[in-house]
Amino acid sequence: EAQVTQNPRYLITVTGKKLTVTCSQNMNHEYMSWYRQDPGLGLRQIYYSMNVEVTDKGDVPEGYKVSRKEKRNFPLILESPSPNQTSLYFCASSYSAGQLNEQFFGPGTRLTVL
Amino acid sequence: SQQGEEDPQALSIQEGENATMNCSYKTSINNLQWYRQNSGRGLVHLILIRSNEREKHSGRLRVTLDTSKKSSSLLITASRAADTASYFCATDPRMDSSYKLIFGSGTRLLVRP
Repeated sequence: EAQVTQNPRYLITVTGKKLTVTCSQNMNHEYMSWYRQDPGLGLRQIYYSMNVEVTDKGDVPEGYKVSRKEKRNFPLILESPSPNQTSLYFCASSYSAGQLNEQFFGPGTRLTVL
Repeated sequence: SQQGEEDPQALSIQEGENATMNCSYKTSINNLQWYRQNSGRGLVHLILIRSNEREKHSGRLRVTLDTSKKSSSLLITASRAADTASYFCATDPRMDSSYKLIFGSGTRLLVRP
């Protein structure tokens, strides 16, 4: 089944404790992206990747890191999480980076930073 | 800043009625997409309309795009209770060499049985 998976689905952590949220897609998509969703603000793009070893900042990259060592995986790293990073996070992928097309979304990761 | 802004923020209708949601954006775009999100879940793609298209249909969905007004509308005809969800527009603005996708804040649709 074609899908985007994220792990963990729920995470409660404390300020400053490094964490990684994994994202994997099995559709051989070139484009992958991370979003955060906060009430009243819709989805805001954190980082995106057009292909292996090619990443770029979205609208809200501060406090996050990403890497794209393999085509299927695009982990999101919070080196020193803070309470303002409490949010619902979505990973998404699409088949073409030449022009953005239909995004396939993962189920989301609900992160709470205490 | 948000590229896409949906209007209204919330909409409540009776089953069988039509629902219209609007999206406005600020810069030139390559295409505009509409997504649906059921509460707390991942977004699901509904329809994509390219900048050189004016109208597109998919089942009970009709999307229009007016690039001169930088606006789009999503019409859901003969709504059902299962259409209850949040709807978002997303644009990929033609800016430098970035491939950002920018979402609006969404319209919450409630379809009453």
